Parts: sequence; structure tokens; C-alpha cells
Amino acid sequence: AQSVTQPDIHITVSEGASLELRCNYSYGATPYLFWYVQSPGQGLQLLLKYFSGDTLVQGIKGFEAEFKRSQSSFNLRKPSVHWSDAAEYFCAVGADRDDKIIFGKGTRLHILP
Amino acid sequence: NAGVMQNPRHLVRRRGQEARLRCSPMKGHSHVYWYRQLPEEGLKFMVYLQKENIIDESGMPKERFSAEFPKEGPSILRIQQVVRGDSAAYFCASSLAGVREQYFGPGTRLTVT
Repeated sequence: AQSVTQPDIHITVSEGASLELRCNYSYGATPYLFWYVQSPGQGLQLLLKYFSGDTLVQGIKGFEAEFKRSQSSFNLRKPSVHWSDAAEYFCAVGADRDDKIIFGKGTRLHILP
Repeated sequence: NAGVMQNPRHLVRRRGQEARLRCSPMKGHSHVYWYRQLPEEGLKFMVYLQKENIIDESGMPKERFSAEFPKEGPSILRIQQVVRGDSAAYFCASSLAGVREQYFGPGTRLTVT
């Protein structure tokens, strides 16, 4: 069965510092991987996705993620965070085309001024 | 180009009442997904529908919950005889046929008193 693990429930970084949010997945075949961001009381916005090809994917808002098959990971990174990045981040894995997405429990990002 | 629309945004029901949540997919999208988010949890898949068909309802509770996506009009998630445990945020997502990306609506926050 597919599963997604985000080992960090909360992460706090200072504004301007670099960020890495961890994500590990369990899936037998090549997964489709996503990162979504959710601001308080809002819906989910797609940050980036990996389907195939280049394992380093660029997303919106300066985020990037790297797919590492050997580690079953898809970590999200940003070189310099802004206060507006404070939100909850969800890693997710999709299976076959047009099927459901399995979400991790999320990592809440706090930014120190 | 309007995104996925959900209404109402907030819904308060007393125990035993019915809740009806509506989702209008993005223009041109024929696939609709419903997810539930409990406090401090990630999103859990509930059901996947195409026009007039339920494709996957493996995440739907066996009783009291139903969903439809008629040929005309929005998709409806219906919860009969609500209980306090149904209090959650319910998100709808839509996608194009044959495309893996899902776009999420702002959610309906259901409170059962």
C-alpha cells in the first residue's frame, strides 16, 4: 500500500535561512509525487510535482524538490525563506492516472523574524 | 478562469441533521475527488467521481455518507445524521481526464454541534 511519511510535524527557521522539509514514500512502482502548501483556513496550492525525467524539479515561490529513488524520498527545499512561507506543507503520492492522492500528515513551518 | 469552487465555506449542523456540500470543478474538468481533513491530520481520500459515475469510493464511510456528480450541476457530498466526529474540513479537487494533477477548492468547514 502507498504511504507518505513526513517525519517533522513542526519546523522553525529564521527568515532568510535555508529550508528542507523531508518526505519519504512507500510505493512499489514509480510514483507521482507532489508538494502542496496550505495557509491557515485555506485550500491547498500545488507547489510542484514529479512525474518522470529530471529528478530535480522547480516549483512556484522559489521552491524545489529532489526525487531520490534509492532513498524513497522527495524532500522540499528553499534557499531563503520569507515570512510569507509560514504555512503547512503536505507531501503526497499518486498512483495510477486519475486516481486518488495519498497525503502525508503535514509539516507546519514557522518563521522567526 | 475560475478555480474549483466549494460552498458553503462554513457549515454548522446539529447532531442528526443532514449536511450537503457542493463542489463545482474547474472549467473543462470532468473528474472530481473528495477529501476529508481532520484536525492535525493530513487529507484523507474519500471518493473519486466522474460524470454520473462513482469510480472509487474506498475511502467513504460505509454508512451515512454518499456522493454524486450528475451530468449537470455540481458534485454533492451528502452526510446524513451527522455526528460530532464528522466535524472536519472537506476538500474537493478536480482534474482533467488523463491528467494527474488535482486542483483543490478552498474547502467546506463542517462543525457539528
